[in-house]
Formats: sequence, C-alpha cells, structure tokens
Amino acid sequence: GAGVSQTPSNKVTEKGKYVELRCDPISGHTALYWYRQSLGQGPEFLIYFQGTGAADDSGLPNDRFFAVRPEGSVSTLKIQRTERGDSAVYLCASSLTGYTGELFFGEGSRLTVL
Amino acid sequence: AQTVTQSQPEMSVQEAETVTLSCTYDTSESDYYLFWYKQPPSRQMILVIRQEAYKQQNATENRFSVNFQKAAKSFSLKISDSQLGDAAMYFCAFQFFTGTASKLTFGTGTRLQVTL
Repeated sequence: GAGVSQTPSNKVTEKGKYVELRCDPISGHTALYWYRQSLGQGPEFLIYFQGTGAADDSGLPNDRFFAVRPEGSVSTLKIQRTERGDSAVYLCASSLTGYTGELFFGEGSRLTVL
Repeated sequence: AQTVTQSQPEMSVQEAETVTLSCTYDTSESDYYLFWYKQPPSRQMILVIRQEAYKQQNATENRFSVNFQKAAKSFSLKISDSQLGDAAMYFCAFQFFTGTASKLTFGTGTRLQVTL
C-alpha cells in the first residue's frame, strides 16, 4: 500500500478481554515497529521485527502482550486479559531496512479499556 | 539507557514568526541519529527533519532547521515563517544501532500553537 495501515482505528473493550491490533506496513519494508503512546506522552517502544523474527522485544511490558509477523509483512499485536492501564494509542511504523531508514508511521489504533 | 528531554510542554507563535523548540538528550553512544517528528490530530507521526551525529553541519529542510550541539547534547528545532498548518505536537527522538535493533526513543513532546 501507499502507507502504513492500522486497523482498527479505534477499539473499545472491557477489562479482561482479548484484543488484536493489526499493522500492514509499506510493501517491501523489512523492519516493523510497535510503539505505545499514552495520553500526554511520547511513543514508547514495544517491539521491533526484522523480517519475520522479533529482533528486540524488550519494550513489551509483560507476558500479556505478544506480537507476530508470520510472513514478514503484516503484524498483529495481541493483548490478553486487558487492563485499564493498557488504554493508549498503539502506533506501528515500518522502515525499508532496520538500520538507517526513515520510519514511516501509521495513524495508530486507539485502545480504550473500560 | 538513552533519554530525551523536552522541557517545553507548550509553545505559541504568531503566524509568520519564528519559534524554537528545545530538546536535550543523554547517551554514551558516539554514532546516532536525531529526529524531529510532527504529530497532528490525525495521530500519524510525520518526519520533519533528521540529523546524523557525525555531521557537524546543521540539517535544514525548507522552513525547518536544527541547532545541533553534540558536546552539549542539545538538538533544537527552529521553525521560520510559521504557518497555521505547523500547529501540532512535536517530538524529538534519538536513534542508535546495536546491530540488531534501531529503536527510536522519544521525548514527551511540545505542543505548538500558531496564532493569527
């Protein structure tokens, strides 16, 4: 596609539910990143994929968070047993390579946990 | 660990005037990149300008320029001839490379208002 696409744009769920957020990067970009942006804060790194593998998942806050990128393109961020503190905008970005390329961001998925 | 500090939560500038947004960072790395990103209400982060740490010359992109002081670990953004469309959140970000990761570390942002 022309840009990074994220779905859903907005998601409201109840505490304890399971949520999946999808990211479709720019075609041909090998690097993919997930960030979380809480209200009034800058984005915080969650996980970075180079191809199909998670090269760095040091930002995932706990084992309720998991992300996959099985074919090296689309990625899904999965959150189990959601908590109110998980409410945030989840941003996805892709880059042609993981090293010197500019990151292109999507418009994010706003998650609200009631 | 790398940290990025933006000490101005909000700034205001009149249309056609010049404004400077401040950013400082802390790192022990010698080779890195610095960025300014703009985030309008659409939430999409848009790259404004980038600076490679090994370059002494300050980056310039049309009305946007930076003042990069490596020794002082300072990286300010100057917006000249401000336009209404410049109103947004601006984030300073730092990027370095470990061989397996090149994640960005962001500051907390500065909200820029542009008035008539």
